Amino acid sequence: AQSVTQPDIHITVSEGASLELRCNYSYGATPYLFWYVQSPGQGLQLLLKYFSGDTLVQGIKGFEAEFKRSQSSFNLRKPSVHWSDAAEYFCAVVSNSGNTPLVFGKGTRLSVIA
Amino acid sequence: SAVISQKPSRDICQRGTSLTIQCQVDSQVTMMFWYRQQPGQSLTLIATANQGSEATYESGFVIDKFPISRPNLTFSTLTVSNMSPEDSSIYLCSVEDYGRTNTGELFFGEGSRLTVL
Repeated sequence: AQSVTQPDIHITVSEGASLELRCNYSYGATPYLFWYVQSPGQGLQLLLKYFSGDTLVQGIKGFEAEFKRSQSSFNLRKPSVHWSDAAEYFCAVVSNSGNTPLVFGKGTRLSVIA
Repeated sequence: SAVISQKPSRDICQRGTSLTIQCQVDSQVTMMFWYRQQPGQSLTLIATANQGSEATYESGFVIDKFPISRPNLTFSTLTVSNMSPEDSSIYLCSVEDYGRTNTGELFFGEGSRLTVL
């Protein structure tokens, strides 16, 4: 069965520091991959997505993610974190066959300190 | 992108009662999805709602507990029936991106936070 693992439950970084949030997936087929962000009291907003092509994808708010098939990973990165980036981040995966629902990881909570 | 409005945004309910959550989308969409996010947890798909047909429920969710209506292409409701404290969650409505059906790319409402006492 498909699964998504976000190994880090909570990460704290200093403002201006770089960030990497990990995501690993277990899937039998080539997946579509997503990162969503949920700010406190808000719904989910799509940060970026990977369907095919260039394995380094750019998203909103200065985020990027790299798809590494050999490692079954889709890690999210940002070179310089802002205090407003404090939120919950969810990695999500779906089969490219379109016949299965989106599966979410358990999320990583990001705290940003001055 | 779709604009999705959910009502109520939050509510406090008594055990044994039922609550209906409404989801309105600003454009017609084929598929609408209802998710549950329990405290400190990730999102779990409850059901997929297509207009004109019965909702399709995921394992662990049943129609008697979570009846869903989908009367047209812009609106859906989810009812949480006979609530218990374990039903305290955020319930989120979502729709697929236009032109990217079956890709899993979803837009979400802001959610309805239910607290059951």
